[in-house]
Amino acid sequence: DTGVSQNPRHKITKRGQNVTFRCDPISEHNRLYWYRQTLGQGPEFLTYFQNEAQLEKSRLLSDRFSAERPKGSFSTLEIQRTEQGDSAMYLCASSSFPGQGLAAFFGQGTRLTVV
Amino acid sequence: LAKTTQPISMDSYEGQEVNITCSHNNIATNDYITWYQQFPSQGPRFIIQGYKTKVTNEVASLFIPADRKSSTLSLPRVSLSDTAVYYCLVGMDSSYKLIFGSGTRLLVRP
Repeated sequence: DTGVSQNPRHKITKRGQNVTFRCDPISEHNRLYWYRQTLGQGPEFLTYFQNEAQLEKSRLLSDRFSAERPKGSFSTLEIQRTEQGDSAMYLCASSSFPGQGLAAFFGQGTRLTVV
Repeated sequence: LAKTTQPISMDSYEGQEVNITCSHNNIATNDYITWYQQFPSQGPRFIIQGYKTKVTNEVASLFIPADRKSSTLSLPRVSLSDTAVYYCLVGMDSSYKLIFGSGTRLLVRP
């Protein structure tokens, strides 16, 4: 296993289009997280899954955002009707609970540019 | 999750030891102290985690005093490739929401 994988690495889309990102976590990890990061800021929590259950969504996640983790494996994050303010790096992370404290493993991220 | 405070930026030179201190006055009994490193255009990378006293791995050391209200990440003999943002996080094993502040931007000069 080579770690957390995110695809695509880069995405340029026109305002109003829908985009979908994929995250493949470390296989034995039961927790999966999505974060968003803009230039000069730390990552901001968006949502998290324990196995296939989505247990919390940040208020940052408007109705245009949806995330799934079917069968507790890979996850997708979809943004509908993209806006320029959605331009950011979208990060996925995974961890194993219990027992790892705050240690999570992040992917390389998907950089979204909305033009 | 306990709030953390760390310097916005630090400068160092190659070969020096760098110590980055994080304050977490409201740390709870069961909270871990965890540090991440992030290079530009990459996701954060977990580097070290501790609960009390000292932890050392191949990358860094983490010093935690008895009262646990602060912690110090120590990077021995830094190189240019250690230029990155370093984040201090505090929370319990059950914490699912990792709270990243703005971190400490370390610049290592030749």
